[in-house]
Amino acid sequence: DAGVTQSPTHLIKTRGQQVTLRCSPKSGHDTVSWYQQALGQGPQFIFQYYEEEERQRGNFPDRFSGHQFPNYSSELNVNALLLGDSALYLCASSLEGGHQPQHFGDGTRLSIL
Amino acid sequence: GENVEQHPSTLSVQEGDSAVIKCTYSDSASNYFPWYKQELGKGPQLIIDIRSNVGEKKDQRIAVTLNKTAKHFSLHITETQPEDSAVYFCAASGARGSTLGRLYFGRGTQLTVWP
Repeated sequence: DAGVTQSPTHLIKTRGQQVTLRCSPKSGHDTVSWYQQALGQGPQFIFQYYEEEERQRGNFPDRFSGHQFPNYSSELNVNALLLGDSALYLCASSLEGGHQPQHFGDGTRLSIL
Repeated sequence: GENVEQHPSTLSVQEGDSAVIKCTYSDSASNYFPWYKQELGKGPQLIIDIRSNVGEKKDQRIAVTLNKTAKHFSLHITETQPEDSAVYFCAASGARGSTLGRLYFGRGTQLTVWP
């Protein structure tokens, strides 16, 4: 039973570029949440997708956008990259219904030069 | 929104000793509290969770306690082993409509278990 998978594992971009990160949820899960984890910090919630719609959003600018596909997989897009966007981006999947356990992938390490 | 504080930031123990990590939260409506273990180069792994209708939960060497009145919860690891060394995060799940299911994390505790 595959867990949450994310791609790519590492990515290097320059300021101003855009990036797309991908996530496949754990088998049977229908809800995907994205988190940003800066070095030495806890993950910060970006947004959550369910039924192909953004259901909740954290305190992140509109440069951060996402999408969920009919097979429940998801993408995170970041435009106009800034140096401060360098972080580990984590995807977590869960079942819909409020307080369901969230299971994380190993993340995509994004470095902005 | 919810604010989660976690202490200590680093913790060193001898193999076989117990380790305790403490967290406080601000929103009295929060009612789900998971704990995650993150090893180097990996994503957070759910190790135990507790809901607000329960005061304590155990799973082998790991236990979590919750004090709703004081708004704090703790992770207890007994008989620690070197493989327990990792960063541990506590989290609280938003309970209001606009935050339901969103996890708010503490800043993490680096646990080192010396052989």
